[in-house]
Amino acid sequence: QKEVEQNSGPLSVPEGAIASLNCTYSDRVSQSFFWYRQYSGKSPELIMSIYSNGDKEDGRFTAQLNKASQYVSLLIRDSQPSDSATYLCAFPSGNTGKLIFGQGTTLQVKP
Amino acid sequence: DAGVIQSPRHEVTEMGQEVTLRCKPISGHDYLFWYRQTMMRGLELLIYFNNNVPIDDSGMPEDRFSAKMPNASFSTLKIQPSEPRDSAVYFCASSSPFTPGLVGNTIYFGEGSWLTVV
Repeated sequence: QKEVEQNSGPLSVPEGAIASLNCTYSDRVSQSFFWYRQYSGKSPELIMSIYSNGDKEDGRFTAQLNKASQYVSLLIRDSQPSDSATYLCAFPSGNTGKLIFGQGTTLQVKP
Repeated sequence: DAGVIQSPRHEVTEMGQEVTLRCKPISGHDYLFWYRQTMMRGLELLIYFNNNVPIDDSGMPEDRFSAKMPNASFSTLKIQPSEPRDSAVYFCASSSPFTPGLVGNTIYFGEGSWLTVV
């Protein structure tokens, strides 16, 4: 079983819709989770982090964490063409300093 | 802060040649990571250092790859000899001290070194 599972997509949504990106992980010890956004030809950049069960909102972005189900998601409200990118979820591996990344989901927001 | 600085940004080299990629982490960060990204395999961790000491190099594909961190502000990733299958984007990243079990560390990526081996 892979440590992090993401649907590679592409996920296509119309402008203004809600985009829902999902990630499952295998490490029950993990306490924190991260969503990175990567534009084509660029490096990953952190957009959200979440440490507690439930929802965390930041502008148009909402991260949702369910530790019992080992599931984390990212909702993007009012999707814009500028949100078109690959979204990577990540978590620390055990009690180490390293982050394990999923394969990423490619999001396409169509005008 | 200038962020994580990598060089070269782009490199095209011939098979068999030595390639050296360089990285300057963010000042004060004591973790440094080397990742490789390809379409097929995604973002893979090659090796990471804590306080200049290599902690986990299990992701290094083979003996042709080596990494060093002689001081807190500089690291290199070397491939010798290079092969076409090494063509990828190599990212260096750094992070501040990690608090196990409580708060995960946020890592910051450099802009990457785009390597093509022909």
